[in-house]
Formats: sequence, structure tokens, C-alpha cells
Amino acid sequence: DAKTTQPPSMDCAEGRAANLPCNHSTISGNEYVYWYRQIHSQGPQYIIHGLKNNETNEMASLIITEDRKSSTLILPHATLRDTAVYYCIVSLLSGYALNFGKGTSLLVTP
Amino acid sequence: GAVVSQHPSRVICKSGTSVKIECRSLDFQATTMFWYRQFPKQSLMLMATSNEGSKATYEQGVEKDKFLINHASLTLSTLTVTSAHPEDSSFYICSARYMAGGLDEQFFGPGTRLTVL
Repeated sequence: DAKTTQPPSMDCAEGRAANLPCNHSTISGNEYVYWYRQIHSQGPQYIIHGLKNNETNEMASLIITEDRKSSTLILPHATLRDTAVYYCIVSLLSGYALNFGKGTSLLVTP
Repeated sequence: GAVVSQHPSRVICKSGTSVKIECRSLDFQATTMFWYRQFPKQSLMLMATSNEGSKATYEQGVEKDKFLINHASLTLSTLTVTSAHPEDSSFYICSARYMAGGLDEQFFGPGTRLTVL
């Protein structure tokens, strides 16, 4: 699986959009970009995934660059409950064993 | 989404004893389950892949005789930490592979916090 690079930490004010970047310059053509998050002392929670096109669901939006070498997860209106570690993972399928990397610790402040 | 449970959620044991952790897929059958370990302030690390009816595949550096994995049914995998020592204290997370209707996804359990005294 391709490796990813994420900033170790980010802050965001409550109610503002949180934009979490991820670099995955060695991604192959059939690998997806997955985002999970882990709230302290809980199991990882799936957020969203995409291959080429931008994706949106009730939790977040995923913007993937045209060359697919980077992506951004957008939480449109961050709340305190969004404070967590966010992992960007590239994989053929999420059903495979996942390489979580170090992730980005997002702190949402009042 | 599909639900995966773990039991117990938290366990404290004495050094030298064995501890069993259960991972169950509650509303689907999982031929494959994964076991991860997470030390404080670190990321999840894959320990092993568990396939129903066959031996688990362990990642490099994980002792198969110390971390016994049994996947005897399509809804249950167990991880037994044998002769536990303080350095085995960690957060153990399982996940189950869901394959149906064209989907191939992985759902995670809530984790088990093991503390070895």
C-alpha cells in the first residue's frame, strides 16, 4: 500500500470548517483514499473514501487532486465532538488490513 | 453500518496470567477478522489476520505462541495473550471484514484496554 503523510496536529475553532490535508504521492491507479478517525480510547470510525472524484456524505467532504497525489478531508462545521485523530489511508479496499500511519490530531476549540 | 463488539472492554491482570479477548460480528458473518494493537500516543499496528477455519497470519515481530488467535466461527475471533507481562499492556482493537452486495469493508470494534500489573 502507498504511504501517506499528514501534519501531526491541527487546531480548529468550533463552527468553522476543518481542512485536513494528506499527501499520497505514490498512490497507484486502483487504490482508494480512505479516511477514518479515532476518538480517544475508541475504535476507528469510517468517515469517507474516494478514488478520483470528490465525495460528500453526511459527515464530511473529500477533495482529491486531479493527479491523485494529495487529498483534503473537510469537516464543514467542526464541533467539539470532532476532536480526534484523523487517519488518511490508501488501500485497494478497506476490507484489507489497513496501514494507519500516524494521523493528524485535530483539536476543536470553543 | 455493521456492528463489531469486543469483550471485555477493559481488563486488568497479574503478570504471568493469560487473558482472552473476544471479537464478535453481531449482524454479519466475517470470514476475515483483523487484530490491531495500539500503544499510548501511537497509531494502530496490525498484529495478525484471522481467517475462519484456518491458522492466523501474524505480522513480523508478533509472537504467534504468545498471542493465540482462534477464529472458530464466522462471527467470533478470540485473541489470547499468554503469560502476559507489563509490556503487553496496550489497547487491542479487532475489526471484521464485511463482504456483501458488492461491498468489501472493514468495521472496527470498540477496543479492549489491557493492563498487566
